[in-house]
Amino acid sequence: NAGVMQNPRHLVRRRGQEARLRCSPMKGHSHVYWYRQLPEEGLKFMVYLQKENIIDESGMPKERFSAEFPKEGPSILRIQQVVRGDSAAYFCASSPKGHYSNQPQHFGDGTRLSIL
Amino acid sequence: DQQVKQNSPSLSVQEGRISILNCDYTNSMFDYFLWYKKYPAEGPTFLISISSIKDKNEDGRFTVFLNKSAKHLSLHIVPSQPGDSAVYFCAKVPNSGYALNFGKGTSLLVTP
Repeated sequence: NAGVMQNPRHLVRRRGQEARLRCSPMKGHSHVYWYRQLPEEGLKFMVYLQKENIIDESGMPKERFSAEFPKEGPSILRIQQVVRGDSAAYFCASSPKGHYSNQPQHFGDGTRLSIL
Repeated sequence: DQQVKQNSPSLSVQEGRISILNCDYTNSMFDYFLWYKKYPAEGPTFLISISSIKDKNEDGRFTVFLNKSAKHLSLHIVPSQPGDSAVYFCAKVPNSGYALNFGKGTSLLVTP
């Protein structure tokens, strides 16, 4: 499967715990984007990363959320001390270029995070 | 600030007929508009895009129209098939940018 891989597909956490969401981009893609979809809403941009660099985190909450894309391994979205409002579907996308130039972002199937 | 608006949450169309999904936007400083299709429990799949310098783009059964004066975008699917039943998201990407700005989606149901 050469697509964007996200795991886990479903994650259940209790309030106060940490959630780690993983994303492996498509082969040949070095640009990764994280989006969040709340119920009955569209996807909202959170953060854009290249290998070892955060390019734009303007859509990510300042507290409790962090993202990384190490030289080796998948991109990680980490949510510390989760609260009920963090329950959502988190989608990762990747692209070969950072600027959209007729190269659409390809999405994974998402991680559905549920907070008890 | 909802810059991309899809005012119809749902649409039902008979198989073989035309499906028309609409999208309005509030800012015109963008290079590309895109449509994504999403099935339940899956990620969005890119369908078709249009540059702001064009009025129309066609790909098989799918055609996207851009009316810049009205700031309106529409996706036409003809003929509609039951497999087209999904949520369709309109999105735009800023000039020299990368962050997709999505509408809330329209759920299309194509009935046999």
